[in-house]
Amino acid sequence: NAGVTQTPKFQVLKTGQSMTLQCAQDMNHEYMSWYRQDPGMGLRLIHYSVGAGITDQGEVPNGYNVSRSTTEDFPLRLLSAAPSQTSVYFCATQDSYGYTFGSGTRLTVV
Amino acid sequence: AQSVTQPDIHITVSEGASLELRCNYSYGATPYLFWYVQSPGQGLQLLLKYFSGDTLVQGIKGFEAEFKRSQSSFNLRKPSVHWSDAAEYFCAVGTDSWGKLQFGAGTQVVVTP
Repeated sequence: NAGVTQTPKFQVLKTGQSMTLQCAQDMNHEYMSWYRQDPGMGLRLIHYSVGAGITDQGEVPNGYNVSRSTTEDFPLRLLSAAPSQTSVYFCATQDSYGYTFGSGTRLTVV
Repeated sequence: AQSVTQPDIHITVSEGASLELRCNYSYGATPYLFWYVQSPGQGLQLLLKYFSGDTLVQGIKGFEAEFKRSQSSFNLRKPSVHWSDAAEYFCAVGTDSWGKLQFGAGTQVVVTP
C-alpha cells in the first residue's frame, strides 16, 4: 500500500517549459488536491477534485491546469513555467479520517 | 474570509522544557482542525486532529492540543521536548465537508541542548 505517490521528487525547468507533476493514490479516495509550499506562507491550495471528472480551483490556480480522468491519478500541469512557480508541491487525498500527503516535488524554474 | 494565524514564526526551546504553539482561526462554523509537523526536506506528518467531541486531543509523539471555541484557538502543547522535535509545525483548518485545508504560515521550532 503506497498511499500517495508523487513523481518526480526534484525537477529543474527553464522559463517557458511545460511539465506535468504526477500524483497517484491507491486508497480509492474520491477527494484529491494540490498544494504549493513557499517559505513563510504555509501551504496554499492550487486545485482540487471531488471525484473523477470533477475539478475546481483553489486559492492560487493561475498557471496550473488539472484533470481527473480516474480516481487514482490527479496530474498537475504547468503549461509555461515561470520563476514564480518555484516551490515545493504536495498532492493530498482525503477521506473521513483526514488527509494523506505525498512526499512532495521540489520544482525550480530558472 | 477564512484565515489561520500562527503568531510565532520562530520558537527556541531548551530540551526538556515545555512547548506551546499557538494557532488561531477565523471561520463561522466549527472547523476541522489539524496540526502537522515537517522535518527539513520531508513531507507532512499528521500530529493530531479535531473533528468533534472532547476538546483536548491527544496525538503522536507526546503532543496534545486543545480546541477553545470561545477563543477560536487550537494550541499545540508538549510537556517536555526532545531534540528530535526540532521541525516546522503547521496548523490547518478544514472549512467544509470536502476539506479544502487552509494552512497557517508555520512555526519553526529550534531545540537547544
